[in-house]
Amino acid sequence: QSVLTQPPSASGTPGQRVTISCSGSSSNIGSNYVYWYQQLPGTAPKLLIYWNNQRPSGVPDRFSGSKSGTSASLAISGLRSEDEADYHCAAWDDSLTGVVFGGGTKVTVL
Amino acid sequence: QLQMQESGSGLVKASQTLSLTCAVSGGSITSGAYPWGWIRRPPGKGLEWIGYIYHSGSTYYNPSLKSRVTMSVDMSKNQFSLKLSSVTAADTAVYYCVRGAVAHFDYWGQGTLVTVSS
Repeated sequence: QSVLTQPPSASGTPGQRVTISCSGSSSNIGSNYVYWYQQLPGTAPKLLIYWNNQRPSGVPDRFSGSKSGTSASLAISGLRSEDEADYHCAAWDDSLTGVVFGGGTKVTVL
Repeated sequence: QLQMQESGSGLVKASQTLSLTCAVSGGSITSGAYPWGWIRRPPGKGLEWIGYIYHSGSTYYNPSLKSRVTMSVDMSKNQFSLKLSSVTAADTAVYYCVRGAVAHFDYWGQGTLVTVSS
């Protein structure tokens, strides 16, 4: 049971917009930055979004992050086949004094 | 470009100690204020943070694993290590070494599968 809650799956057709939610609490998302990681099949996770909504160099602007209260979301616009991957949200938890992750969301491009 | 590579035993017997090392190249483990750590992903599950260590030796461990985890840094070899004791089947996972603090991990190793056998 993950501390952060994500839907197990999401899907869309090429060109569509897909949104993934990440729900937490006041001790994690509510008081700390949210990070998103993309994990392509058979590879290591890659930092996709940091500080709630910032993209590292090289990440397309089709990916965007937002946060409101104790929830966060990742949006993928203009969905492409190469976006098929698992997406994980993460945050620091002040109560647990550690990093917590969501269970991951598998995005399928139909 | 920083690169990280895990190595260690891919098969560990239950109740024994899992040992992994992460070799860092393309940069010094002592440069900057970054800690170095470990994250794992069990089959069919999400990511789980294990902990991280600063080159000074300060550590932050996942409270649920703290009693079994030991991390260390070898500055002479530019590498750091993980030991997880009293393993069970629940510790079977792909283990990744990472650079970063809080939940901000910007460099990852390719990962190594560790299977716990009975």
